[in-house]
Amino acid sequence: NAGVTQTPKFRILKIGQSMTLQCAQDMNHNYMYWYRQDPGMGLKLIYYSVGAGITDKGEVPNGYNVSRSTTEDFPLRLELAAPSQTSVYFCASTGLAPSSYNEQFFGPGTRLTVL
Amino acid sequence: KNEVEQSPQNLTAQEGEFITINCSYSVGISALHWLQQHPGGGIVSLFMLSSGKKKHGRLIATINIQEKHSSLHITASHPRDSAVYICAVEAAGANSKLTFGKGITLSVRP
Repeated sequence: NAGVTQTPKFRILKIGQSMTLQCAQDMNHNYMYWYRQDPGMGLKLIYYSVGAGITDKGEVPNGYNVSRSTTEDFPLRLELAAPSQTSVYFCASTGLAPSSYNEQFFGPGTRLTVL
Repeated sequence: KNEVEQSPQNLTAQEGEFITINCSYSVGISALHWLQQHPGGGIVSLFMLSSGKKKHGRLIATINIQEKHSSLHITASHPRDSAVYICAVEAAGANSKLTFGKGITLSVRP
């Protein structure tokens, strides 16, 4: 199994550009998450999904959108990039839920810079 | 006040030392996670626990639900243990959503 994969690994955007961060998992996990990690801060939840067709906002959703058309894929869309969205983005997934006993598997991250 | 607090902020140790990293939280939880992030950036789950103690190799994690406190211990530390150690809690009924501490940067010197 590849686990959780993310593309691209690095990206530089200009203010106002848009892009989609891709995330895929091959573990048949129901739950998927998008986090951002800023220097000196803990990871913050942007959006999450409990299954195909179901998404919900996390702690910092403004400026982002998600979709979940399949169990495997959970893309994150930035419509109008702003410097405040410069961060490292992690996608994660976990298995059967609701449960207290499922570890989260993380992708390798996407480092995004908005200039 | 953050829901998850970790201490110390940064930690430097000599190879072979016994290391303790602490985590305190303020909400009722269904589980607590310890994660490791290496300099390359990848995040790996070390432990997930809701009571008692777990051990994996040289790593031991404990949790005291009544005191809302968890510790991660590293025995016989090695330079390869140098990483950021992150505590995260899963609030009760939170759909497995995690709230993260800021992480502790551990450096183990040879």
